Amino acid sequence: AQSVTQLDSHVSVSEGTPVLLRCNYSSSYSPSLFWYVQHPNKGLQLLLKYTSAATLVKGINGFEAEFKKSETSFHLTKPSAHMSDAAEYFCVVTARRGGKLIFGQGTELSVKP
Amino acid sequence: KAGVTQTPRYLIKTRGQQVTLSCSPISGHRSVSWYQQTPGQGLQFLFEYFSETQRNKGNFPGRFSGRQFSNSRSEMNVSTLELGDSALYLCASSLGLAGMAGYEQYFGPGTRLTVT
Repeated sequence: AQSVTQLDSHVSVSEGTPVLLRCNYSSSYSPSLFWYVQHPNKGLQLLLKYTSAATLVKGINGFEAEFKKSETSFHLTKPSAHMSDAAEYFCVVTARRGGKLIFGQGTELSVKP
Repeated sequence: KAGVTQTPRYLIKTRGQQVTLSCSPISGHRSVSWYQQTPGQGLQFLFEYFSETQRNKGNFPGRFSGRQFSNSRSEMNVSTLELGDSALYLCASSLGLAGMAGYEQYFGPGTRLTVT
């Protein structure tokens, strides 16, 4: 079985400062991991994904995430926040062999000017 | 390439009625998944269809059903609507089974269903 926990329901940062959104997962099988972003009244957009290649994954808009098997974590980071990054972010896990995607509860990111 | 489209975008129904939502996947994608999003429960998986067959199912009552056509378009039906069915229903498509070998899903804008 798979599960995912996003450790913060809300994160607030100032524009230009680093962003860290935390995600821990549990999986009985080798996992695929994803981060999605959802802007208000919009659908979800894929930021990045981890399958089984490099543990440091680079995504769109300057985001990246590191897969740490020993810590069962897949935290999302960005060196410098932009106002347009304000949105809800979802960490997602599934078995690499296929199966239903399990979404975290989401982290709402606020960016202050 | 056109993205995932969902129709209608907004819908208001009365308790006890039934509703059908439609999803057109990205061209070439064979998997379509449906999700329910509510403020209290977050994003919950409903079911996934691949090549016209239901491959995975979430923990929803039998009032929720779906199907996929030979052109990969999918419909979701909810019968005997309840107030708690009010939600944003999202459809997502992928080339292969969601998650397998890292196949990512591409989401549509959703259908906002309000049950009164």
